[in-house]
Amino acid sequence: AQTVTQSQPEMSVQEAETVTLSCTYDTSESDYYLFWYKQPPSRQMILVIRQEAYKQQNATENRFSVNFQKAAKSFSLKISDSQLGDAAMYFCAYRSEIRGDYKLSFGAGTTVTVRA
Amino acid sequence: NAGVTQTPKFRVLKTGQSMTLLCAQDMNHEYMYWYRQDPGMGLRLIHYSVGEGTTAKGEVPDGYNVSRLKKQNFLLGLESAAPSQTSVYFCASSSLGRGQFFGPGTRLTVL
Repeated sequence: AQTVTQSQPEMSVQEAETVTLSCTYDTSESDYYLFWYKQPPSRQMILVIRQEAYKQQNATENRFSVNFQKAAKSFSLKISDSQLGDAAMYFCAYRSEIRGDYKLSFGAGTTVTVRA
Repeated sequence: NAGVTQTPKFRVLKTGQSMTLLCAQDMNHEYMYWYRQDPGMGLRLIHYSVGEGTTAKGEVPDGYNVSRLKKQNFLLGLESAAPSQTSVYFCASSSLGRGQFFGPGTRLTVL
């Protein structure tokens, strides 16, 4: 089973500043996807960004971008120009493209607080 | 398009009672999943289905059963609820190559 580790239980960022969340994973597979999900206080899980392992270019979605280091098995999320609405728990997740079941393995999450 | 819906949103059970959680999706997705979320542990997979009529065990299947009689529905059953099953339960669905879409969650308390 793949292990996903988020080593930062909590992060705090000033509004308009940048924060980076770390995620590492353990796998012997070469074909997989990585995801970041956001869970605000409403509890709804929202897909923020995804990265295909065979693509070297880092994914970007507006203010959200990733730093994907395949050899180091690292997948960090950068939130630029942080807004109050970014306050949430963020989960990193791994999905194998080999098994065919498309299950997600989640990290324990990082709680992001945005200071006004 | 309602996406993924879950029924009920909240439930309180006594130890030993049974209940069924219903998940419905209107996106014609093949794959459906049930997770539980506990503090400090992220989401853990209970059971999943790769198509109508199929189910498989996930990471924490003990004490739960599932059925996928129709493509759009995925039911999670607790035959004899225990306090350890107090959690928030999420259903999700996906199609090939896409991320999973989640329902709003069900908060279950077992006394």
